[in-house]
Amino acid sequence: KNEVEQSPQNLTAQEGEFITINCSYSVGISALHWLQQHPGGGIVSLFMLSSGKKKHGRLIATINIQEKHSSLHITASHPRDSAVYICAVRGNTDKLIFGTGTRLQVFP
Amino acid sequence: ETGVTQTPRHLVMGMTNKKSLKCEQHLGHNAMYWYKQSAKKPLELMFVYNFKEQTENNSVPSRFSPECPNSSHLFLHLHTLQPEDSALYLCASSRHHRYEQYFGPGTRLTVT
Repeated sequence: KNEVEQSPQNLTAQEGEFITINCSYSVGISALHWLQQHPGGGIVSLFMLSSGKKKHGRLIATINIQEKHSSLHITASHPRDSAVYICAVRGNTDKLIFGTGTRLQVFP
Repeated sequence: ETGVTQTPRHLVMGMTNKKSLKCEQHLGHNAMYWYKQSAKKPLELMFVYNFKEQTENNSVPSRFSPECPNSSHLFLHLHTLQPEDSALYLCASSRHHRYEQYFGPGTRLTVT
């Protein structure tokens, strides 16, 4: 079992829908990252958080340290949000541990 | 544009070839990383450099040889690779280790 699990693995949505991607982890962490990877490979860091909630535009990330769970929400989804979303945690050994990603497709 | 560039973007090489991947960052960062991304698998950290010194090698086979001549440049020298080494190789940098990482676009490597 991976130390970082994401769900769902694949997600399709209609433009305008509210989207939630989940990340659960089994190790102690100092920080959690949400990353976005577009077709072609480039990865962009969306959020780094260690508690509470962060918001950037239509994206919201939350983390519950006690439950070892984080969610990434996208409001008013758009086809350009189509990408792979990756959760990564920085464990107590300082290493980044990555989930396998959630592939999101938003259709017009 | 993240400020991290990688060349080449695509590379096809035979198992007996020697080639190098190059990464350059224009962000003034002090830490640089090599990652491997294979299909349907999580990103795997290969090497970490802090202030030009290698601080992490995650049991990477010796057919992969990193080089960090200065804080802005990172190379991955490849020789006698195997077909299972075909993957996307991503470079990243951060201001310091444990800070937010900025990724390059990756090199898609195919070993024939």
